[in-house]
Amino acid sequence: QKEVEQNSGPLSVPEGAIASLNCTYSDRGSQSFFWYRQYSGKSPELIMFIYSNGDKEDGRFTAQLNKASQYVSLLIRDSQPSDSATYLCAVSMDSSYKLIFGSGTRLLVRP
Amino acid sequence: KAGVTQTPRYLIKTRGQQVTLSCSPISGHRSVSWYQQTPGQGLQFLFEYFSETQRNKGNFPGRFSGRQFSNSRSEMNVSTLELGDSALYLCASSHTGSSNEKLFFGSGTQLSVL
Repeated sequence: QKEVEQNSGPLSVPEGAIASLNCTYSDRGSQSFFWYRQYSGKSPELIMFIYSNGDKEDGRFTAQLNKASQYVSLLIRDSQPSDSATYLCAVSMDSSYKLIFGSGTRLLVRP
Repeated sequence: KAGVTQTPRYLIKTRGQQVTLSCSPISGHRSVSWYQQTPGQGLQFLFEYFSETQRNKGNFPGRFSGRQFSNSRSEMNVSTLELGDSALYLCASSHTGSSNEKLFFGSGTQLSVL
């Protein structure tokens, strides 16, 4: 079982729709959770982070964390073609000094 | 504030050679970590340095090594290159490397081994 799992996609949504990206993790000791966006040929860029159960909103993005279910999600409202990218879920544990990444979900937003 | 700077941007080497990649973190950041990204394996952790000390190492062979200097700049070295080492090597920095800190990535070094 992979430590961090994501559906590789592609997830295709029309412009203006809500895109829902999901991630599960295997280690219950995971403490911090991050979503990175990576455009083709570019490096990962942090877009959201969440540490506590519940929802965290930032503009069009909402991160959701459920530690009991070991589940993290990212919602993108009013999706734009410029949101088309690969979204990487990453988790870390205290004193590990590393991030464990999922393989990423490719999102396509159709104009 | 300048971001994470990695040099060179592209490298082409042949099997058996060695290579050294360089990373300058964001000013004030003392933790530097390295990741390998390939289409098949995704992003995999190589190692992390803080105050010139390696605090964690990923599951890579001993051919992969690194170091950090007193100014927090870091280098990684790959000896006896293999075809499978072709990848994007990403460096990331943060203030202290603690689990709740955000990592900022450089543009990466694209290594091709022929």
